[in-house]
Amino acid sequence: GAVVSQHPSRVICKSGTSVKIECRSLDFQATTMFWYRQFPKKSLMLMATSNEGSKATYEQGVEKDKFLINHASLTLSTLTVTSAHPEDSSFYICSALGENTEAFFGQGTRLTVV
Amino acid sequence: AQKITQTQPGMFVQEKEAVTLDCTYDTSDQSYGLFWYKQPSSGEMIFLIYQGSYDEQNATEGRYSLNFQKARKSANLVISASQLGDSAMYFCAMRELHLAGGTSYGKLTFGQGTILTVHP
Repeated sequence: GAVVSQHPSRVICKSGTSVKIECRSLDFQATTMFWYRQFPKKSLMLMATSNEGSKATYEQGVEKDKFLINHASLTLSTLTVTSAHPEDSSFYICSALGENTEAFFGQGTRLTVV
Repeated sequence: AQKITQTQPGMFVQEKEAVTLDCTYDTSDQSYGLFWYKQPSSGEMIFLIYQGSYDEQNATEGRYSLNFQKARKSANLVISASQLGDSAMYFCAMRELHLAGGTSYGKLTFGQGTILTVHP
């Protein structure tokens, strides 16, 4: 199947700093990318949907200024957690959707804010 | 709005036995897709099986089969001959198949998940 690469897989950062997570589709052009957040032993919650070249659509309750999403090309979307705080610690996972493909998931990023 | 319900927070099964993980859904859409994913402790989401709303036959993929009962709006996952490596969290998910503003296609709504433990 198609490959979606998410980087980094783990990151520890200090409170108040920003963290960027990358999601790349390696062998197809991703017209749409989705960003999910997951707490331990809980379900995946959709944070936002991003389409290449346009602004992301955020789900209700997700702070746009806190979670900046950029989908600059057909193979790359980034999620930046700005001014991170301990409550932002979570597992973040992306999925990418091509023109005629299923949605494929990245490996996920475990963020710990200390 | 779509809703997916997995009522079993945890399930236990003996190695080599079969296990059924429950999933019910609610949607007003006529066209939709149902998915099952496996999430091991590493966190990756592993696609297992897919069932389209118009598929008349139940989907099967190796040891995985989907018991699709459209009238009951259920899509249970059956794992036959359980293996120790099947221990993981399992998610049922539903996807809208119509375009609405160009962003709903591919958007998955997930159930709460079921933690499966396979005992030797």
